Amino acid sequence: EVQLVESGGGLVQPGRSLKLSCLASGFTFSNYGMNWIRQAPGKGLEWVASISSSSSYIYYADTVKGRFTISRDNAKNTLYLQMTSLRSEDTALYYCASTYYGPLDYWGQGVMVTVSS
Amino acid sequence: DIVMTQTPSSQAVSAGEKVTMSCKSSQSLLYSENKKNYLAWYQQKPGQSPKLLISWASTRESGVPDRFIGSGSGTDFTLTISSVQAEDLAVYYCEQYYDTPFTFGSGTKLEIK
Repeated sequence: EVQLVESGGGLVQPGRSLKLSCLASGFTFSNYGMNWIRQAPGKGLEWVASISSSSSYIYYADTVKGRFTISRDNAKNTLYLQMTSLRSEDTALYYCASTYYGPLDYWGQGVMVTVSS
Repeated sequence: DIVMTQTPSSQAVSAGEKVTMSCKSSQSLLYSENKKNYLAWYQQKPGQSPKLLISWASTRESGVPDRFIGSGSGTDFTLTISSVQAEDLAVYYCEQYYDTPFTFGSGTKLEIK
């Protein structure tokens, strides 16, 4: 069974940093691209960042470029999102999702990040 | 950026009825080399993560009931539920994966009367 389990969220002050993790199981993690998608409370879905299976290709939304860094450790089956200079508008439920050939085929349950003083 | 526009924003139907929802993209999602439309539909039930229903505009994922039908090409796409069931209560999102930044529509909330 495919499982994606996010962790690392919480309450953080504006301007501070936070690192999210996503532990994958039930599939060959190193063969899949991975993504972070977020959903602000009561709002729709926003793509944040993507990383290819071997980390050769990395893409970011303009809203996070220069502040967030996506990375992965295929030996640990883990995806990361390092978030710096956090703003109140970064408050959201952050999902990790896998992609084998384009669409987001499996999603985690999400981890909440709240940016507030 | 490719803008995805979904209509209606919400829809209320009775169980057993047919429902259609629209998704329009600001540029074509049809890749000429492989003749595929880079468009997916997701279902997000209350309190749950999104679930992939349909990829390539019309390919139903394994285990998805055949009442869910995706159609369209280029810039105009439709998700049809041929006979709505109570468990279909959800928000439905379209997404283009043709180019980064990948973008979602604002969603269609399906309510059951």
